[in-house]
Amino acid sequence: SYVLTQPPSVSVAPGKTAIITCGGDNIRSKSVHWYQQKPGQAPILVIYYDRDRPPGIPERFSGSNPGNTATLTISRVEAGDEADYYCQVWDSDSDHRVFGGGTKLTVL
Amino acid sequence: QVHLQESGPGLVKPSETLSLICTVSGDSITDYFWSWIRQPPGKGLEWLGYISDSGNTHYNPSLKTRVTISMDTSKNQFSLKLSTVTAADTAVYYCARDEAETGALDFWGQGSLVTVSS
Repeated sequence: SYVLTQPPSVSVAPGKTAIITCGGDNIRSKSVHWYQQKPGQAPILVIYYDRDRPPGIPERFSGSNPGNTATLTISRVEAGDEADYYCQVWDSDSDHRVFGGGTKLTVL
Repeated sequence: QVHLQESGPGLVKPSETLSLICTVSGDSITDYFWSWIRQPPGKGLEWLGYISDSGNTHYNPSLKTRVTISMDTSKNQFSLKLSTVTAADTAVYYCARDEAETGALDFWGQGSLVTVSS
C-alpha cells in the first residue's frame, strides 16, 4: 500500500517560514492535500490539489509538489498556526485515501 | 455551507459492533462521496472507507472484513459499522465529505469519541 512520510516535528520562530515535507513514491503524479488539526478539533483542509487554498485559508499557506517531495509552506508564522499538519493523497491504483503520519508544528 | 454531525454510542464492549451515523445538512448525500476517518488517542489519522454518491463502497484493506458503510438517502445520513471491536479500535471517529476526483476531504464533522471497554 502507498506510504506517505512526514517529519514528526518542525519548529519555527514567529514571523519566519515553516516548511513541512511529505514524501512518497512518485508523489509528483498524485494530488496532495494538507490538513491542519489543532488540539481537540477536527482537521480542516488548508491546501488541496497540491497548491489550491479553500475559501478562508490565508495566503500565507501555500503548497507545491514538484518532484519527490510535496511541501506545505507557511509564511510569516503566527502563534495560532501551532498545530498538527497531515498530508494526504488519493492513491488511484488502489482507490484509497492515504494519510501521512503527521507533523507537529511548534511556534517557538 | 455543508455541515456534518456524527452520533452514536460513546462506549462499546469488546467483540461487539461499533455503529455511528453521520447526518449531513446543506448538501445531498447523493451529490458527493463521503468518507469515515478515525484517530486513536494521541495518534494520526486513518482513513476507513468511503461511500459514493450512488452507494458504492470502498474500504481500507486493513479493516475491510470488519467495516461496512451504508447510506440512508431519505434521512440524508450515512453510517459506519465496525464489527468485532477491540481496545485498539478506541478512537475519535470523523465523517467527512470526499471530493471524489481528487480524494480531498473538504468538510469534516466534529468527531465522536468511541471507547471500547468492558
